[in-house]
Amino acid sequence: EIVLTQSPGTLSLSPGERATLSCRASQSVGRNYLAWYQHKPGQPPRLLIYASSHRATDIPDRFSGRGFGTEFTLTISSLQPEDFATYYCLQYNNYPRTFGQGTKLEIK
Amino acid sequence: QVTLRESGPALVRPTQTLTLTCTFSGFSLSTDGIRVSWIRQPPGKALEWLAMIDWDDDKFYRSSLKNRITISKDTSKNQVVLIMTNMDPADTATYFCARTPWREIGDAFDIWGQGTMVTVSS
Repeated sequence: EIVLTQSPGTLSLSPGERATLSCRASQSVGRNYLAWYQHKPGQPPRLLIYASSHRATDIPDRFSGRGFGTEFTLTISSLQPEDFATYYCLQYNNYPRTFGQGTKLEIK
Repeated sequence: QVTLRESGPALVRPTQTLTLTCTFSGFSLSTDGIRVSWIRQPPGKALEWLAMIDWDDDKFYRSSLKNRITISKDTSKNQVVLIMTNMDPADTATYFCARTPWREIGDAFDIWGQGTMVTVSS
């Protein structure tokens, strides 16, 4: 099973600041079979990024993803109030599909 | 518009069997490349993938739960069913179903249902 480790666990920033979230895999996720999700309480997770760097439909361009192999990053260039949420990475190279433990992005 | 909705009991007793139904619209599970998964999230914990079924009726399971869970589909009803036996309080979680349009974005889950909370308690 591929273990995904996200850091930091909690990130405290202010609106307008840049957020950088990390996801490290215990082994390669192949051809960048890694996605990022935004999750708010009481709502379903929202797909932001797939295949490491491809933005999903209707996702603002302030969200960007990069990385390959075992190291991946989600960047939010200028935080908006609605961006404060928990973010999860997902690998879909191997079964079982696995998620990271999440990074909570909170308002400073 | 693609939507998914989970339904099932809110409370089950330990050792009982849980049956959850995912009813979807806006796509067909008979379309080449479409998959539907079940994913859960215990309170305060991370997301955990459980099982997946695809357009060709291939099924994939989390190995640690393989003896307890069964996934199936009814294409005519646009439904996917998850059965989980021998429920334990550790299975208390919000259960989500989610779609994968494999030919469009690979195996990521693009649209999720709202989730249904299941509590296992005597």
